[in-house]
Amino acid sequence: GAVVSQHPSRVICKSGTSVKIECRSLDFQATTMFWYRQFPKQSLMLMATSNEGSKATYEQGVEKDKFLINHASLTLSTLTVTSAHPEDSSFYICSARFPGLAGGGGPDTQYFGPGTRLTVL
Amino acid sequence: GNSVTQMEGPVTLSEEAFLTINCTYTATGYPSLFWYVQYPGEGLQLLLKATKADDKGSNKGFEATYRKETTSFHLEKGSVQVSDSAVYFCALRSSGGSNYKLTFGKGTLLTVNP
Repeated sequence: GAVVSQHPSRVICKSGTSVKIECRSLDFQATTMFWYRQFPKQSLMLMATSNEGSKATYEQGVEKDKFLINHASLTLSTLTVTSAHPEDSSFYICSARFPGLAGGGGPDTQYFGPGTRLTVL
Repeated sequence: GNSVTQMEGPVTLSEEAFLTINCTYTATGYPSLFWYVQYPGEGLQLLLKATKADDKGSNKGFEATYRKETTSFHLEKGSVQVSDSAVYFCALRSSGGSNYKLTFGKGTLLTVNP
């Protein structure tokens, strides 16, 4: 199946610093990627939709200036948490929309990265 | 708007027991339906999917049938194993357009004891 990687898997940073998380589709080109946030024992909350070559679309209530998203290429999207604070500590997960190949998943299938655990001290 | 309702957990079973996790949805049109599984400390993995009414998705012994008449997509497995312990998410994606967003249920924690 399609593979999506995230880096780093864990990061600990000091309050006030910025952290960049990378999401890569390893074996397919993804024009659309998604960023989610997951709180302990809760479902995924969609933060934004990242489109290659254009600005990300943020969900209501998500601060654009705090969570910067850059979809630099068809295989890479980055999420930068700027001026991180302890309340930003969470599990961040990206997904990539699989475009569909012969014998593979359909165009409405998303494949998820393994997640990044962010801890802000 | 779209919504997904899953049975709340946690669900605790003994090995080889039968598993059912209920999922119902609200959506317009003909959405695609998915089950994702999240093992401890990991991201989500696609478990199975169905894209039209009466389709049955299956994988690793798990099955779910897209029932439009009852707007349901219940997950079943005949004999669970300890390795099936995880959180299971039901999700839908609306049909048509260029909106590929997924709407997730709250997840159901399954624990299988030896």
